[in-house]
Amino acid sequence: QQQVKQSPQSLIVQKGGISIINCAYENTAFDYFPWYQQFPGKGPALLIAIRPDVSEKKEGRFTISFNKSAKQFSLHIMDSQPGDSATYFCAARAYSGNTPLVFGKGTRLSVIA
Amino acid sequence: EPEVTQTPSHQVTQMGQEVILRCVPISNHLYFYWYRQILGQKVEFLVSFYNNEISEKSEIFDDQFSVERPDGSNFTLKIRSTKLEDSAMYFCASTEGLNTDTQYFGPGTRLTVL
Repeated sequence: QQQVKQSPQSLIVQKGGISIINCAYENTAFDYFPWYQQFPGKGPALLIAIRPDVSEKKEGRFTISFNKSAKQFSLHIMDSQPGDSATYFCAARAYSGNTPLVFGKGTRLSVIA
Repeated sequence: EPEVTQTPSHQVTQMGQEVILRCVPISNHLYFYWYRQILGQKVEFLVSFYNNEISEKSEIFDDQFSVERPDGSNFTLKIRSTKLEDSAMYFCASTEGLNTDTQYFGPGTRLTVL
């Protein structure tokens, strides 16, 4: 119930291509869904986040698509660049006070030239 | 830009020893968290802290763990008697206040228990 399932575990994309990472959840109390980017040796950094009242949110090359009925959300990275190579974590949180984030297992993205 | 800082960056200790991991949250933030990440695995919640008391803790956060805000800036995680399985990256995070979304993470402390 508290899990967030993330796939794929790893992803290799050509420079300029689209990277797509998917997440699914079961807890209907979740209503805040952030994506974090983590470079080796660094802490996770918030990339983009969405609430279930919208189906899509775009910030630059990064887009979250959200499907409330399917309880799924995904991150799309357009025009992927080598500098995007990192581990990406989806997460979810029930919006009641400051409840902790529940993270997916992460996707290691490699963008090759 | 303000950031969460953590010290030390790497801590090596012998099994059974006590360790204290230190964090300085962003200065106007009120809510603090500790998470850990075992190598190659997902980030897991340990404990949250607000108004000088624990708000929520996970099943990982047993009697061997404690947290403290000893002064107006530091937030510490103590592990009383370390085990091999405590080896992980420990991340501190903070949020500005109640019902605010963004959790800002520090760079982490890598704890190695030998």
